[in-house]
Amino acid sequence: AQSVSQHNHHVILSEAASLELGCNYSYGGTVNLFWYVQYPGQHLQLLLKYFSGDPLVKGIKGFEAEFIKSKFSFNLRKPSVQWSDTAEYFCAVRGGGSQGNLIFGKGTKLSVKP
Amino acid sequence: DAGVTQSPTHLIKTRGQQVTLRCSPKSGHDTVSWYQQALGQGPQFIFQYYEEEERQRGNFPDRFSGHQFPNYSSELNVNALLLGDSALYLCASSSRGWGQPQHFGDGTRLSIL
Repeated sequence: AQSVSQHNHHVILSEAASLELGCNYSYGGTVNLFWYVQYPGQHLQLLLKYFSGDPLVKGIKGFEAEFIKSKFSFNLRKPSVQWSDTAEYFCAVRGGGSQGNLIFGKGTKLSVKP
Repeated sequence: DAGVTQSPTHLIKTRGQQVTLRCSPKSGHDTVSWYQQALGQGPQFIFQYYEEEERQRGNFPDRFSGHQFPNYSSELNVNALLLGDSALYLCASSSRGWGQPQHFGDGTRLSIL
């Protein structure tokens, strides 16, 4: 069965610090990988996605993620965080070819201190 | 604006009751998926509807059922509510094409007393 592990439950950073959130998945076949963000009081929004090709994916708001197939990882990065990045971040995987369901990790809460 | 609208926003029920949650997909989307998000957890897939049929189902009991209408809107029904059903219920819509991302609504917060 597919599963997603997010290593950090809560990360606290100061503004301008660099961010890396870990995500590992378990699935043997081709996968689609996603990072979603949920700002306080708002709905889940897609940050970025990986389907194939260049393993370094750039998303919105300066975020990027790198797919490392050998490590089953899809870590999220941002060189310099802002207070407005305070949110909960979810990594998700979908089996390649599947139309449907996403398997989510438990999420990482990011708090950025001004 | 999420584009996906869910109603109601909040709902309080008691054990044993039944509940219906509603979802209107984003314009142009024909596929609706439902997720349950318990406190402190990531969303868990319940089921997906396309062409008015359930296409995929997660590990949820038969108390959870759904429906999709010709206009692509959808309902989630839960019977015989348990305390453990308290959660945020999320609706996500997408287009049927391969690899299309899902767009989420704000969710319905269901509390069981």
